[in-house]
Amino acid sequence: SQQGEEDPQALSIQEGENATMNCSYKTSINNLQWYRQNSGRGLVHLILIRSNEREKHSGRLRVTLDTSKKSSSLLITASRAADTASYFCATLVRGGSEKLVFGKGTKLTVNP
Amino acid sequence: GEEVAQTPKHLVRGEGQKAKLYCAPIKGHSYVFWYQQVLKNEFKFLISFQNENVFDETGMPKERFSAKCLPNSPCSLEIQATKLEDSAVYFCASSQVPGVYEQYFGPGTRLTVT
Repeated sequence: SQQGEEDPQALSIQEGENATMNCSYKTSINNLQWYRQNSGRGLVHLILIRSNEREKHSGRLRVTLDTSKKSSSLLITASRAADTASYFCATLVRGGSEKLVFGKGTKLTVNP
Repeated sequence: GEEVAQTPKHLVRGEGQKAKLYCAPIKGHSYVFWYQQVLKNEFKFLISFQNENVFDETGMPKERFSAKCLPNSPCSLEIQATKLEDSAVYFCASSQVPGVYEQYFGPGTRLTVT
């Protein structure tokens, strides 16, 4: 079953602008991960944030995690046309199987 | 290898036929996962392995789906008597320690059941 819910479902911006995607989840987690999927391709891991972390950076990516609100956000700064893809959050649920539970994704289009 | 490899890339089967998908995890990763992505982009967990042992099979439709990870062989996911609703992209992922490290995904196998 889907735990994460991304918001918005689709986002269209101009090159150079920032893109923010949000993810909400329902149960206690061990960690939360963000993945990118280009059309028709596999998943590329972007960032993993653990439940005891609040913010993490990687290049132009910034991820926040608020466990009290059960939500996370992914910010892509100074977006590029090559960032056009679908972005998924996935949670590793605490205390059980090591499987990832995915959200439905945000489709990001960056217009040149 | 340093990437998860999946074969074949595409597979077309008539309804009722068997389908078998393969996955070679990254060397040194002891956990393997299978996920199914259907047309609306939703990912569904199927099964996971720790080495050759089934770790979690709660997502598997057991009557038609089976999977194995044997030593020195690619892992496999087999669907007996495929149905139209099995059409999806099947992803394999591997990880060293899932609670600590990320899962690395293969490029997927697109199964089309006609």
